[in-house]
Amino acid sequence: GEDVEQSLFLSVREGDSSVINCTYTDSSSTYLYWYKQEPGAGLQLLTYIFSNMDMKQDQRLTVLLNKKDKHLSLRIADTQTGDSAIYFCAENTAGTALIFGKGTTLSVSS
Amino acid sequence: DAGVIQSPRHEVTEMGQEVTLRCKPISGHDYLFWYRQTMMRGLELLIYFNNNVPIDDSGMPEDRFSAKMPNASFSTLKIQPSEPRDSAVYFCASSLSTPLPGPSNTEAFFGQGTRLTVV
Repeated sequence: GEDVEQSLFLSVREGDSSVINCTYTDSSSTYLYWYKQEPGAGLQLLTYIFSNMDMKQDQRLTVLLNKKDKHLSLRIADTQTGDSAIYFCAENTAGTALIFGKGTTLSVSS
Repeated sequence: DAGVIQSPRHEVTEMGQEVTLRCKPISGHDYLFWYRQTMMRGLELLIYFNNNVPIDDSGMPEDRFSAKMPNASFSTLKIQPSEPRDSAVYFCASSLSTPLPGPSNTEAFFGQGTRLTVV
């Protein structure tokens, strides 16, 4: 079956870079996603990467994909206090449901 | 569109009672998902529908859980009888499938969730 693993907590200082890591097991996944959940809210899509890419940059966000090791990472440059949230890694193939990791709680201190 | 709408936002009930959670997906979306979030297990997929038909209910924990989608704009998740270990936040999400490449056909839009507490 599919299983997505993430570290549970990450604490950084404002202005530093944050790197959140994820491993997945379904090699047939077409898309890999990062969702963000702010307190008391549902999840929102942050960014995604197609499985034939190895890097994607979107402003302060950089996604790296190592398909051989089934490893996905999200780097947030110049982390701000507003980035404090739970970040979920997710995978799926088209037409199926997203499978999420347990989420990484990012805490940003000023 | 107002997004995915879930009701109620909070529900407190006594063990043994029936609980019904409701979801209105985004208009035009043909996939609907029910997830449960707990500290221990994170976000678990319970069931999902495509064009109102249940596709995969393997995540439904027990027979006490049931879900229906009588039409394209409404779904329910029912727990009967409820137990304290069912306490969690239940999320509904919907997505649109399109023949176009790209995640627009698989991005899921989430409701605000229903926080269920069974005492």
